[in-house]
Amino acid sequence: QSVLTQPPSVSGAPGQRVTISCTGSSSNIGAGYDVHWYQQLPGTAPKLLIYDNNNRPSGVPDRFSGSKSGTSASLAISGLQAEDETDYYCQSYDSSLSAWVFGGGTKLTVL
Amino acid sequence: EVQLLESGGGLVQPGGSLRLSCAASGFTFSSSAMTWVRQAPGKGLEWVSAISRTGGGTYYADSVKGRFTISRDNSKNTLFLQMKFLRAEDTAMYYCAKRARSTGTDWFDPWGQGTLVTVSS
Repeated sequence: QSVLTQPPSVSGAPGQRVTISCTGSSSNIGAGYDVHWYQQLPGTAPKLLIYDNNNRPSGVPDRFSGSKSGTSASLAISGLQAEDETDYYCQSYDSSLSAWVFGGGTKLTVL
Repeated sequence: EVQLLESGGGLVQPGGSLRLSCAASGFTFSSSAMTWVRQAPGKGLEWVSAISRTGGGTYYADSVKGRFTISRDNSKNTLFLQMKFLRAEDTAMYYCAKRARSTGTDWFDPWGQGTLVTVSS
């Protein structure tokens, strides 16, 4: 059971927009800790996609965006492409655990 | 180019020990806090341990506290994870990553390619 809760799967058609939620609590996201997002292609290491809730590293397309409100955060992917079909993880910090924490991951399927 | 290269993984029996290494290049290693994250086969990411730039601060997940020790050699640009009393549930791909932060919570970037640890008799 992950501290941060993500839907196991989401799907969308090419060109559509999907969102992936990341729900935490008052000891992590709700406490003001930032949320970061990673993309993990099959058989490869995770890659930073969004940092500090809504910032994109250089090289990440602006189709990817992040937001945070209250005890939750979201990753939005617009203009879905076949290459977006993979796993996505959110990450933050939990003060009760004194630990960095991840969501359980969400598998995105492009229909 | 920033690069992290893990090594030291392999097959070990339950109760055994293993030492992972992560060789860093392309950035000032001694100025960078580091971390280890693992991923069991077919499962999600789990933070394992972190260390400050000097090595004076070390942090562990409850699942490995007392069994794993993180350390670093800044003269050799290398991060280590000493693992003892290994259990089947420690079987995973182990990634090292550089910690980064602006004003708030650390994020991890970049990541190494990982080294696989299998605990089995």
